[in-house]
Amino acid sequence: AQSVTQLDSQVPVFEEAPVELRCNYSSSVSVYLFWYVQYPNQGLQLLLKYLSGSTLVESINGFEAEFNKSQTSFHLRKPSVHISDTAEYFCAVSGGNNDMRFGAGTRLTVKP
Amino acid sequence: KAGVTQTPRYLIKTRGQQVTLSCSPISGHRSVSWYQQTPGQGLQFLFEYFSETQRNKGNFPGRFSGRQFSNSRSEMNVSTLELGDSALYLCASSTRPAGGVTGEQYFGPGTRLTVT
Repeated sequence: AQSVTQLDSQVPVFEEAPVELRCNYSSSVSVYLFWYVQYPNQGLQLLLKYLSGSTLVESINGFEAEFNKSQTSFHLRKPSVHISDTAEYFCAVSGGNNDMRFGAGTRLTVKP
Repeated sequence: KAGVTQTPRYLIKTRGQQVTLSCSPISGHRSVSWYQQTPGQGLQFLFEYFSETQRNKGNFPGRFSGRQFSNSRSEMNVSTLELGDSALYLCASSTRPAGGVTGEQYFGPGTRLTVT
């Protein structure tokens, strides 16, 4: 079975600063990797995903994540954050059996 | 298309009572997954139903149960409520089990359960 570890439970950062949210996974099979975002008082939304091909994937709002097979990581980055990026971010992994597992979440707080 | 709906949105119950939460998936979606979200434990998988069959179950006691109807709507039930059951319960739907290879699950806004 696969599992996910998000290394930081909370990440405070100032507006326009860069940010990295770390995610490591373990799996004995090939995996598909995802980042979901949860804004206050809402459900989760898919932010971006890695299925195959280019190891660098991007979202429409400036986030990107890089799949690193040797380090079993899928860290999420943004070069310049906005107040509106304040949310909780979840890394998730799905293996060949289509069972998805989520990390514990990282709360990103962007301060003015 | 309407999104995933969950009812009720907020619920207050007393220890020992039981509760039933409802989830209506997006039209055409046959998979419904349930998650419990708490500040301490994060997002934990409860169970998944696909075409009325429980496909997978997380590590929760038997007090937590669920079912899915022929129209794909799902309910989860918690019996003999404990204080620790206070949480946000999220439901997610998808066309394939657990979102299939695309991983795309669509989440509802959740039901916030408070046990006093």
